[in-house]
Amino acid sequence: GAVVSQHPSWVICKSGTSVKIECRSLDFQATTMFWYRQFPKQSLMLMATSNEGSKATYEQGVEKDKFLINHASLTLSTLTVTSAHPEDSSFYICSASLRGSIAKNIQYFGAGTRLSVL
Amino acid sequence: GESVGLHLPTLSVQEGDNSIINCAYSNSASDYFIWYKQESGKGPQFIIDIRSNMDKRQGQRVTVLLNKTVKHLSLQIAATQPGDSAVYFCAENMIGGTSYGKLTFGQGTILTVHP
Repeated sequence: GAVVSQHPSWVICKSGTSVKIECRSLDFQATTMFWYRQFPKQSLMLMATSNEGSKATYEQGVEKDKFLINHASLTLSTLTVTSAHPEDSSFYICSASLRGSIAKNIQYFGAGTRLSVL
Repeated sequence: GESVGLHLPTLSVQEGDNSIINCAYSNSASDYFIWYKQESGKGPQFIIDIRSNMDKRQGQRVTVLLNKTVKHLSLQIAATQPGDSAVYFCAENMIGGTSYGKLTFGQGTILTVHP
């Protein structure tokens, strides 16, 4: 149980284009979804917290107009990197937490998306 | 803040040995902790969790120890196998907080198991 699917796993795009990444909770309803960015050999950096039906909460220093988050349902959140540039190249990972008491604090992660901007 | 440019701590062990991975957390108000395993090119995988009202919790081949006095967490892996090679992260949270289960991740430790 608690499977999170992230798509695509790898994307290469030209500078200036936009890229959409999907995150789905396959067998549970997610109270909240989270988007992280990870550079090589570094820890996960939280970008934003997303709750279904409401606006995402972005961490300090993360441009909300650059990284658009849509959380349309309890099982789907999308991250769109708008007008991507080479410095946006990174590993993006989503996670989802379960509805309910203690369990909601466990985040289940997708497999990540490797974005390469040429 | 983000520790940009720092290399992750590394731990190298022989197959069959026991491994101990350490983590110092920062927020004394944190009351819930999770260990994650991340293999290369993949997302983190939940290993084990512990609440602050406990100081030890065991799973299959893994044990987590919590020392709230010094804000220290450790993950012990028994009979380490090559498949255990990965980066291990600890994460902290406040169960009763209003941060929607937001986790704060530690720096991570690279575990390499030699056959």
